[in-house]
Amino acid sequence: GNSVTQMEGPVTLSEEAFLTINCTYTATGYPSLFWYVQYPGEGLQLLLKATKADDKGSNKGFEATYRKETTSFHLEKGSVQVSDSAVYFCALSGVSGGSYIPTFGRGTSLIVHP
Amino acid sequence: DTAVSQTPKYLVTQMGNDKSIKCEQNLGHDTMYWYKQDSKKFLKIMFSYNNKELIINETVPNRFSPKSPDKAHLNLHINSLELGDSAVYFCASSQDGGGRNTIYFGEGSWLTVV
Repeated sequence: GNSVTQMEGPVTLSEEAFLTINCTYTATGYPSLFWYVQYPGEGLQLLLKATKADDKGSNKGFEATYRKETTSFHLEKGSVQVSDSAVYFCALSGVSGGSYIPTFGRGTSLIVHP
Repeated sequence: DTAVSQTPKYLVTQMGNDKSIKCEQNLGHDTMYWYKQDSKKFLKIMFSYNNKELIINETVPNRFSPKSPDKAHLNLHINSLELGDSAVYFCASSQDGGGRNTIYFGEGSWLTVV
């Protein structure tokens, strides 16, 4: 079946540091890839997405590139802020058992200190 | 306007009780989901409905029963609550099944079984 693997957290950074959260996936066919963010006490919300190989999704200074050759979709940001502290989920939508099934990674907690 | 709304937000109840969580979406989406998030933030899909028909039914105890009176509503009823049911339950919706499009999440219902 399909699966998503994210780096374990928490990731702890100082403000203005560079962020990378690794995400790799296993899926048949050509899945769509997503990053969702969950701020404390809230539900998940879409951060960015990419629907085909070599696409780059970007939003709020975050970027991720769909790399089919390495089956990866790493999340990056050049300069994090305290307000970026949240849990980040990598996700894919791919075919499983004849239907499109959304699959989420386990989430990576990011803590940014002033 | 809240896109996906679920009630109650907080629920504390005793073991053995029966409880329901209600969910409504005003986005006109065809597909709705229930997810369970444990204390480690792991997100697990429980059910998915497309136009009131069940399309995803993951390995969930029979005590959990979803009900979709129309495509804008998906309620979750839980019988004979157990301590292990304590979690955050998220309702969500998307335009299609499988999450090929963005999945919109509610703010969550915090269930505590004592």
